[in-house]
Amino acid sequence: EPEVTQTPSHQVTQMGQEVILRCVPISNHLYFYWYRQILGQKVEFLVSFYNNEISEKSEIFDDQFSVERPDGSNFTLKIRSTKLEDSAMYFCASGGTDYEQYFGPGTRLTVT
Amino acid sequence: AQKITQTQPGMFVQEKEAVTLDCTYDTSDQSYGLFWYKQPSSGEMIFLIYQGSYDEQNATEGRYSLNFQKARKSANLVISASQLGDSAMYFCAMRARPTGSARQLTFGSGTQLTVLP
Repeated sequence: EPEVTQTPSHQVTQMGQEVILRCVPISNHLYFYWYRQILGQKVEFLVSFYNNEISEKSEIFDDQFSVERPDGSNFTLKIRSTKLEDSAMYFCASGGTDYEQYFGPGTRLTVT
Repeated sequence: AQKITQTQPGMFVQEKEAVTLDCTYDTSDQSYGLFWYKQPSSGEMIFLIYQGSYDEQNATEGRYSLNFQKARKSANLVISASQLGDSAMYFCAMRARPTGSARQLTFGSGTQLTVLP
C-alpha cells in the first residue's frame, strides 16, 4: 500500500542553523500539507500546498519557514534559522482529493 | 474558525469491549469534514475514518464507526471489540468546506486510550 515517507526520522541541529525536512507524498496525490506537534501537545497546522502554490498557512508559518516542491516527487519544508521552540515532530501529509490527508511517519526535530 | 474539543484526556477499556471516544466541534461552515486519527507510541498518525457533514449515514470502517450527531455537533468514535493494539492516542480533527484547494485540519487535544487485558 502506498504511503507518505519522510526523511530524516530524527534531526538534531543547533539554534540558528537551517534545516530542510523532506517528504515524498503518495504518488499522484495533489494536495500537500505540513503539520507539527510539540511533545505532549496537539497537532498544529503549518501550511498547505496545491497546484504549485501555498493554499493556506498558519501564524506559525512565518518568514523563517518555506516550502518547495522541487520535482514531481518531493515536498520540502525549510526552516531558515531554527529556534529552540521549533523542536517538535513535523508531519507531512498528502491527499489525492481535498477531503483526505494521509500522514507520514514524521521527522523529530531537536534544536539545541 | 473551527474548534475541536475532546473532553476525555484518558480512557480505559477492557479487551473485547466497545469504547466511545467523545468529540464535539464548533464551526460556522455548513459543509465540513470530520476525521479521526490514531497515534501509537511510535508517533505516526494513522487515518481511521472520515465523515462528511452532508453524509446521510454514519461512517464505518471495520471496527471503527463514527456516531455523527449534527444537531449536537458531535462526532464520537466508537471502537468495537477493543484489542490491545488499540492502545494509543486518538485525535479528532475537522476540515472546513472543500473549495478544491488544500484546506487545513484543526485537531483536538486527543484522548489516550488504554486497553486492559
